[in-house]
Amino acid sequence: DVVMTQTPPSLSVAIGQSVSISCKSSQSLVYSDGKTYLHWLLQSPGRSPKRLIYQVSNLGSGVPDRFSGTGSQKDFTLKISRVEAEDLGVYYCAQTTHFPPTFGAGTKLELK
Amino acid sequence: QVQLKETGPDLVQLTQTLSITCTVSGFSLTTYNVHWVRQPPGKGLEWMGAMWNGGGTDYNSAFKSRLSISRDTSKSQVFLKMNSLQTDDTAKYFCARQAFDYWGQGVMVTVSS
Repeated sequence: DVVMTQTPPSLSVAIGQSVSISCKSSQSLVYSDGKTYLHWLLQSPGRSPKRLIYQVSNLGSGVPDRFSGTGSQKDFTLKISRVEAEDLGVYYCAQTTHFPPTFGAGTKLELK
Repeated sequence: QVQLKETGPDLVQLTQTLSITCTVSGFSLTTYNVHWVRQPPGKGLEWMGAMWNGGGTDYNSAFKSRLSISRDTSKSQVFLKMNSLQTDDTAKYFCARQAFDYWGQGVMVTVSS
């Protein structure tokens, strides 16, 4: 199985600050169709996960452009510019390139 | 709009069978895949298996011998059935649409001895 390694495990931020979360995979996530099926999810406290970004850099419907995703092959980054209170929670990266789909262990974003 | 909703028991006895239904709306099961994902309390997400839009299924090898996924397209429902439950199967169980773009609210299942 593809191992997804997220760092850091937690982040303490002030509102308005910008932060980045790293996700590294044990194998390249480029599929045979040339696309990279790496996604970012946010699980707010007590809620179901919500997909923020799909295929590395595409914003999900209704997701503010404060969120951005970059990366390729095995190395990916989620950046949040100007953190707002509603951004707090646990962020997961997930890959659906290889079977079975796998998730990172999560990065908990908390208020400083 | 797209919705998924899980229904099932909140308590299952040790070694018994868990059955959860995912009822979807706003899309067709013959067009989109549906995944099952679980989350033990305070822990991360674990992919369990999927019902593919063509009717096939796949399972995480960690569950393969005791997990079964099926569907009723006429009712827009996907079913999860897992037997021989243990205490470490206590978790919130979610269904999610392909590429995890939409999720249900989940059902918290406690396995009790």
